[in-house]
Amino acid sequence: GAGVSQSPSNKVTEKGKDVELRCDPISGHTALYWYRQSLGQGLEFLIYFQGNSAPDKSGLPSDRFSAERTGGSVSTLTIQRTQQEDSAVYLCASSLGLAGPRDIQYFGAGTRLSVL
Amino acid sequence: AQSVTQPDIHITVSEGASLELRCNYSYGATPYLFWYVQSPGQGLQLLLKYFSGDTLVQGIKGFEAEFKRSQSSFNLRKPSVHWSDAAEYFCAVGAGFGNEKLTFGTGTRLTIIP
Repeated sequence: GAGVSQSPSNKVTEKGKDVELRCDPISGHTALYWYRQSLGQGLEFLIYFQGNSAPDKSGLPSDRFSAERTGGSVSTLTIQRTQQEDSAVYLCASSLGLAGPRDIQYFGAGTRLSVL
Repeated sequence: AQSVTQPDIHITVSEGASLELRCNYSYGATPYLFWYVQSPGQGLQLLLKYFSGDTLVQGIKGFEAEFKRSQSSFNLRKPSVHWSDAAEYFCAVGAGFGNEKLTFGTGTRLTIIP
């Protein structure tokens, strides 16, 4: 596609429910990243995929958070038993995956998650 | 581990005035530095980047930034702001291979007044 696509754009859920957030990266991009943007906190790294593998998942805040990527393309971030502190904007980014830290990351518009 | 500090949470400037947004980083080796802009409801858009070479880098929308190793800074500047520049600005640092994530500052919100 033309850019990184995330769905849904907004998600309201009740505390304790599970949610799935989807990211469609730019076609041909092998690297995919998830970040979380909380009010006043800037962007926090969650997980990085190269192809279908996740060599860096150091930012996942708890075992309630998991992510997978299939076919080297679409990624799903799952939050189980959501808590109010999970409320944030979840941003996905993708990059060519060829140049390491020189790769330019292109961001989607994000999914705004509200946990009531 | 790398870190980024953006000391100014909110800046207000008049349209047509000059702008400087501050960014300080902490990283042991040569950093890879980025400035991104986020308009309301939008994702982040890359303004400019510094990897090596000339320490003054030009970006899109008339922005520039200067890398100063001695001050561990990468400040963003624009000679004359436009109302459309109102947004949130994030400075970020990347490390080396095997550590591809970006570490972001907390952002600076820019308000433009007529």
